[in-house]
Amino acid sequence: DIQMTQSPSSLSASVGDRVTITCRASQGIGNNLAWFQQKPGKAPKSLIYAASSLQSGVPSKFSGSGSGTDFTLTISSLQPEDFATYYCQQYNSYPLTFGGGTKVEIK
Amino acid sequence: EVQLVESGGGLVQPGGSLRLTCVVSGFTFSDHYMDWVRQAPGKGLEWVGRTRSKADSYTTEYAASVKGRFSISRDDSKNSLFLQMNSLKTEDTAVYYCSRLSAYYYYMDVWGKGTTVTVSS
Repeated sequence: DIQMTQSPSSLSASVGDRVTITCRASQGIGNNLAWFQQKPGKAPKSLIYAASSLQSGVPSKFSGSGSGTDFTLTISSLQPEDFATYYCQQYNSYPLTFGGGTKVEIK
Repeated sequence: EVQLVESGGGLVQPGGSLRLTCVVSGFTFSDHYMDWVRQAPGKGLEWVGRTRSKADSYTTEYAASVKGRFSISRDDSKNSLFLQMNSLKTEDTAVYYCSRLSAYYYYMDVWGKGTTVTVSS
């Protein structure tokens, strides 16, 4: 199975900050990586697919990059509605696997 | 508007069975692969399994943790996806989400709100 390791597991940031979350795959997955946002008590929401493509309707402050084993999700200017948990997920091979999540909290 | 609505969750004893349903609307269900994903209380997301579309013979894939106990099926005529869960264990307690796979990139682009399954005596 491909292990997805996210870092950090949590971070505190202020409104307006630039935030970067890292996701590392235990083996190469090409660009078959997605990012999701989840708020407490809610379903996950798709943000990024194919490592760097923005899901329709998602604001451009979210961006993704990387290929192979190392990926990043960047939020260019953190807003109150962005405080949530973020997950990466590989869909290159079965079983599909998620990272452990990064909780973004208010400083 | 694309919608996925799960139902069928509840409290069940260990060793019992439960059948979850996901009814979809707003898109051509038969064209899409569909997944089930679960989230145990306070934990991260875990992929459960997948059903492919009719074009790919409705074949399925499962996580090792549920293989042989869970079964995914679909009824395209009723826009419905199912998760039959047998031999339930306490560790199957979770919120279960159905998700649609994008037709071209095969990532989970739309999710339902989830239904809660509690396995406890």
